[in-house]
Amino acid sequence: KAGVTQTPRYLIKTRGQQVTLSCSPISGHRSVSWYQQTPGQGLQFLFEYFSETQRNKGNFPGRFSGRQFSNSRSEMNVSTLELGDSALYLCASSLDSNRGGYEQFFGPGTRLTVL
Amino acid sequence: DQQVKQNSPSLSVQEGRISILNCDYTNSMFDYFLWYKKYPAEGPTFLISISSIKDKNEDGRFTVFLNKSAKHLSLHIVPSQPGDSAVYFCAASKYFGNEKLTFGTGTRLTIIP
Repeated sequence: KAGVTQTPRYLIKTRGQQVTLSCSPISGHRSVSWYQQTPGQGLQFLFEYFSETQRNKGNFPGRFSGRQFSNSRSEMNVSTLELGDSALYLCASSLDSNRGGYEQFFGPGTRLTVL
Repeated sequence: DQQVKQNSPSLSVQEGRISILNCDYTNSMFDYFLWYKKYPAEGPTFLISISSIKDKNEDGRFTVFLNKSAKHLSLHIVPSQPGDSAVYFCAASKYFGNEKLTFGTGTRLTIIP
């Protein structure tokens, strides 16, 4: 079974631009979560989507948004990029916590550099 | 406000010995705890978890201990192997099934052959 895939793997943008990152979960997984990893901050939860609906949200500004499609693929968007948005963005999928499929499987991440 | 803390950014252990990684948390609402392992250029991989109704959970070479009164958990790896060299993150959630995980900042474990 293929793992979680994220595209692109690396991205360089300039301040003020916007960016869209993509995540394809493991086949059959309906929950997709996004995390930001920066040095010294660890992984910080951005949001989680389940059945095309945002189910959980972290403490990030509105410039960070996401969506999920009917095939469970998810995208996250960051508008008006700031230097501090440079980070590794990780996507994780899980089966369905209500059925005990709680373990989250992570993708390799997208490394975003904002210049 | 770092609700989950890993105060040791790095740890070096001799191969074959026990590795002990520590994690403290401040939010008493956390009810479920997990450990993840991360190699460079890969996403974190789930290792082991523990519910707050237990104080110990074992899986092969990995054992997680939870001390709720001290708000402290630890991961023991015995015996340590070179392939265990990675960054280890502890994470917490408010209940089993909540995908919103709060992670610590990680501890880089190096196993010395």
